[in-house]
Amino acid sequence: ILNVEQSPQSLHVQEGDSTNFTCSFPSSNFYALHWYRWETAKSPEALFVMTLNGDEKKKGRISATLNTKEGYSYLYIKGSQPEDSATYLCAPGRQLTFGSGTQLTVLP
Amino acid sequence: AAGVIQSPRHLIKEKRETATLKCYPIPRHDTVYWYQQGPGQDPQFLISFYEKMQSDKGSIPDRFSAQQFSDYHSELNMSSLELGDSALYFCASSLGLGQGVDTEAFFGQGTRLTVV
Repeated sequence: ILNVEQSPQSLHVQEGDSTNFTCSFPSSNFYALHWYRWETAKSPEALFVMTLNGDEKKKGRISATLNTKEGYSYLYIKGSQPEDSATYLCAPGRQLTFGSGTQLTVLP
Repeated sequence: AAGVIQSPRHLIKEKRETATLKCYPIPRHDTVYWYQQGPGQDPQFLISFYEKMQSDKGSIPDRFSAQQFSDYHSELNMSSLELGDSALYFCASSLGLGQGVDTEAFFGQGTRLTVV
């Protein structure tokens, strides 16, 4: 089972702030890296699937980068809004083994 | 658009009973994943299937078994239930895992199992 670490565990930001968090994973035998957004009482929603070193993907105010050689990915949220409040999970590998997530709370 | 369907949504069983959870993937998706999320815990990968064959195995107890059928739906069978099996069980589906194409997985709403 892959050792996936996400940091920070939780984050509180003010509306309008930009923020970022990290997903660290073993760099050997890299397959792919998934980012998911999980709101309370809902099922996880896919944000990005990243496969190539140096990949950078963007969806609205959210973007992600990938470094497969050193084994990390960053997720950025620009101009956070209260509706961005959720747990953000990364999952590398074929198994989609999730990290413990970063719980983001955006305060109005 | 059709989503991943899980049934039942809620299930209450007694200790030592058996439970069967069902997952119907998005049409044309050939890969199914099962996850268990205990209270206050991270979702744990249990098992996945591609084209009706087991592709990866995670922390699935020996008391549990799963399979993917010819119509690609999957069932998770849980026997000799224990109190600690109470959790939210998610199923997800995607396309093409076995072909080396990694596409996003779509999750069902989950089945909440309570063992009393």
